[in-house]
Amino acid sequence: EPEVTQTPSHQVTQMGQEVILRCVPISNHLYFYWYRQILGQKVEFLVSFYNNEISEKSEIFDDQFSVERPDGSNFTLKIRSTKLEDSAMYFCASIPAGGGPFEQYFGPGTRLTVT
Amino acid sequence: AQSVAQPEDQVNVAEGNPLTVKCTYSVSGNPYLFWYVQYPNRGLQFLLKYITGDNLVKGSYGFEAEFNKSQTSFHLKKPSALVSDSALYFCAVRPTSGTYKYIFGTGTRLKVLA
Repeated sequence: EPEVTQTPSHQVTQMGQEVILRCVPISNHLYFYWYRQILGQKVEFLVSFYNNEISEKSEIFDDQFSVERPDGSNFTLKIRSTKLEDSAMYFCASIPAGGGPFEQYFGPGTRLTVT
Repeated sequence: AQSVAQPEDQVNVAEGNPLTVKCTYSVSGNPYLFWYVQYPNRGLQFLLKYITGDNLVKGSYGFEAEFNKSQTSFHLKKPSALVSDSALYFCAVRPTSGTYKYIFGTGTRLKVLA
């Protein structure tokens, strides 16, 4: 069964550093999402992405965050200058298309630790 | 504002007993409804969804969910709980127009006791 992959599984960085989290969505999927989860609690929407553009974003997704699909497979989340409160699990998800009752396929997550 | 509520942070149930994890939503129209499960240090896995039709939908691992339009609820159920069902469960809602965003509940931790 196809799956979403994410790298790295764990990233440790110092406050103020830039990090890039990588995701490879399922190959024929067109709509992509990033979420974060702090301490195994609620899943917070960050951003959705379609056709090489941000479709929607939350209040969390400020100027420190950016997303990109640099090639036909990778989907990245960049945090320009990390803060302690950015420490969380970050999940990528994808669906085949925007419309329709599609369930999201989630990657295993990247645990980001900011020290 | 559109929202999803999971009123119980934790549900404890004895193995072999039926379980219910509650979810209610406040979303206009007839949204799509989903349940996901998360095991420790893993991503979310899809369990089941409601689109239209029969109010009782069946999903993976013996789980089912009951949709109630008048109460705007979508409770997750299983007739006989297993210890291996212990995990974090999330209800999610996708409006059918205006957005492709999925709105998640805060999660309910299910603990099945042997």
